[in-house]
Amino acid sequence: KQEVTQIPAALSVPEGENLVLNCSFTDSAIYNLQWFRQDPGKGLTSLLLIQSSQREQTSGRLNASLDKSSGRSTLYIAASQPGDSATYLCAHKSYNNNDMRFGAGTRLTVKP
Amino acid sequence: NAGVTQTPKFQVLKTGQSMTLQCAQDMNHNSMYWYRQDPGMGLRLIYYSASEGTTDKGEVPNGYNVSRLNKREFSLRLESAAPSQTSVYFCASSEEAGVTGELFFGEGSRLTVL
Repeated sequence: KQEVTQIPAALSVPEGENLVLNCSFTDSAIYNLQWFRQDPGKGLTSLLLIQSSQREQTSGRLNASLDKSSGRSTLYIAASQPGDSATYLCAHKSYNNNDMRFGAGTRLTVKP
Repeated sequence: NAGVTQTPKFQVLKTGQSMTLQCAQDMNHNSMYWYRQDPGMGLRLIYYSASEGTTDKGEVPNGYNVSRLNKREFSLRLESAAPSQTSVYFCASSEEAGVTGELFFGEGSRLTVL
């Protein structure tokens, strides 16, 4: 079974800090990798999608990178704000099937 | 824009009861998925439908059935609910994997089986 691991499980930072969330995966045949945000009691909202041929994607204060050779992706959040507090999940789709494999998420708290 | 709509949002069942979770998307996507989310675990795929008229098992299909009613709608049925099926269920859709594969999710259906 291909695994997706997100470390740390929880992270608390003061407002204004830049931070990095980590995602590692064992599947070498990934088609794409996607980062999501989930607020308590809500569904998942797509933040960034990186195709296997790409190395990074940027949206506003968010930057996601993909390194297939090392099996890692990072989500960089610049100048964090209390509104960024949420759980962040990564997931990848494989060439081998039509499924996406999810990590358990990192719960981020940004303190004012 | 409605996106992916799930009903009901909350449901409490007794062991052995049956129910159907409904999902509809208005983005003209070909692929639709049902996931469950449990504390401390990532989302796990129950069933998916790569296109209208086809369905396939995911990682945790036991105890569930699905119907791809048309291109817009994909339902999940629990024939005889068990406490182990207490979870949050999410429906998702995507364009064909050969295009972008980006997933769009509904708000979730919170199911408790007593």
